[in-house]
Amino acid sequence: SAVISQKPSRDICQRGTSLTIQCQVDSQVTMMFWYRQQPGQSLTLIATANQGSEATYESGFVIDKFPISRPNLTFSTLTVSNMSPEDSSIYLCSVEERRTGGSYEQYFGPGTRLTVT
Amino acid sequence: TQLLEQSPQFLSIQEGENLTVYCNSSSVFSSLQWYRQEPGEGPVLLVTVVTGGEVKKLKRLTFQFGDARKDSSLHITAAQPGDTGLYLCAGIHGNNRLAFGKGNQVVVIP
Repeated sequence: SAVISQKPSRDICQRGTSLTIQCQVDSQVTMMFWYRQQPGQSLTLIATANQGSEATYESGFVIDKFPISRPNLTFSTLTVSNMSPEDSSIYLCSVEERRTGGSYEQYFGPGTRLTVT
Repeated sequence: TQLLEQSPQFLSIQEGENLTVYCNSSSVFSSLQWYRQEPGEGPVLLVTVVTGGEVKKLKRLTFQFGDARKDSSLHITAAQPGDTGLYLCAGIHGNNRLAFGKGNQVVVIP
C-alpha cells in the first residue's frame, strides 16, 4: 500500500489568513483526494485532484476557498483560504488503489489538524 | 441525511469483553470497507467485504457483510486496549466515491 505524508501535521492560524497543506506519496498515483473531518463528523470529500487537470470539487466546496494543485503524480497541495473558525478541522489526503476483482481501496495520510482562532 | 449510519456512536468496555458495532444503510453497496482511526492519525484500512453474506476475520476482529449488501457488522473478541479507536465504515456510492459513516468510537479499558 502507498505511504502518504502530510505537512504540517498541525497548525494554529489567525482568521483571514491562508494555509497550504502538502501531501506526498511514495509512489505514482492517478487520483488523490482531499477530505475534511470535523469533530464528531464523518469524513467529507472536498475534491479529487488529478494530475494535469483541474480538481473536481464536491458540492459545497469551491476552488476559491480550497484551491488545489497537483503538479505531478506523487504530490498535491490543498490551500484553505481566508480562514474562519468554522474551518477548524482535520484535513486528510488520500490515494486510491485498485484491487483484483475491481474493488478500490483508499489509503490516508496522517492528517493536518488545523485550528483557526 | 447520512448514507451510512453507525451504531453505537460510542462504546466503552473492559479489556477481555466482546463487542459488536454496526454499519447500516438503505442503499446497496458493491463493497464496504472498515477503517480504524487512532488519535492524530489518518484512517487505516482494515478490510473490504464484497460478497453478500461474506465473513472475514482479522485476528480477533470479525467482519460480516449483510446478505442484501446494505449493512455490515464488526465483532471484536476479547478486546484489548490496542483495539481502542474510531471504527469507520465506508462504501462506494453513486458517483463512484467513498461515503463514510460517522464512526464507532470504541474505548477498551485495561
